[in-house]
Amino acid sequence: AQSVSQHNHHVILSEAASLELGCNYSYGGTVNLFWYVQYPGQHLQLLLKYFSGDPLVKGIKGFEAEFIKSKFSFNLRKPSVQWSDTAEYFCAVYSSNTGKLIFGQGTTLQVKP
Amino acid sequence: EAQVTQNPRYLITVTGKKLTVTCSQNMNHEYMSWYRQDPGLGLRQIYYSMNVEVTDKGDVPEGYKVSRKEKRNFPLILESPSPNQTSLYFCASSLGPGTGAYEQYFGPGTRLTVT
Repeated sequence: AQSVSQHNHHVILSEAASLELGCNYSYGGTVNLFWYVQYPGQHLQLLLKYFSGDPLVKGIKGFEAEFIKSKFSFNLRKPSVQWSDTAEYFCAVYSSNTGKLIFGQGTTLQVKP
Repeated sequence: EAQVTQNPRYLITVTGKKLTVTCSQNMNHEYMSWYRQDPGLGLRQIYYSMNVEVTDKGDVPEGYKVSRKEKRNFPLILESPSPNQTSLYFCASSLGPGTGAYEQYFGPGTRLTVT
């Protein structure tokens, strides 16, 4: 069955540390890839997305993600996190094969000031 | 302002008492869906709608109903709620899937507790 896996369920970092959150999917075919962020008490909002072209995608607030097709991965990165990045992060994958958008389990990021 | 609204935001109810959570979007999106969010499970799709009068089951449809009589509205109906439906519910809309613009716009969420 198609699935999206986020390896880290809970990440704790100090401010200025670098961040990398893993996301792997098991789909074939053409995929559209997303990272959403949910700040405490708020709804999900789009962080960045990849449809085609340059596999290194830049999003809002200094986040970026790299699509590695051979590894079925779309990892999220930020060189230096801030306390305000404390949130839950969701990877999502749309597959043309299935016509469905599937979300990963989410990763809770806690940044200590 | 482009937005998805949901009501109510918080709801505590008892087992078996029918309830409806409303969802409305003002972006003229064709595609709308309902998700539930549970700890450790992420977002799971309950139902989706490709357009007016076109609805289909998502991954966890049991115990839920939806309708799409108008393009802007997509209510979620729990005919006989049970405690295992206690969750955080999100409505979302988008231009896709089916087009190139697949970004989902989410509502603020409805926290439902069934006792």
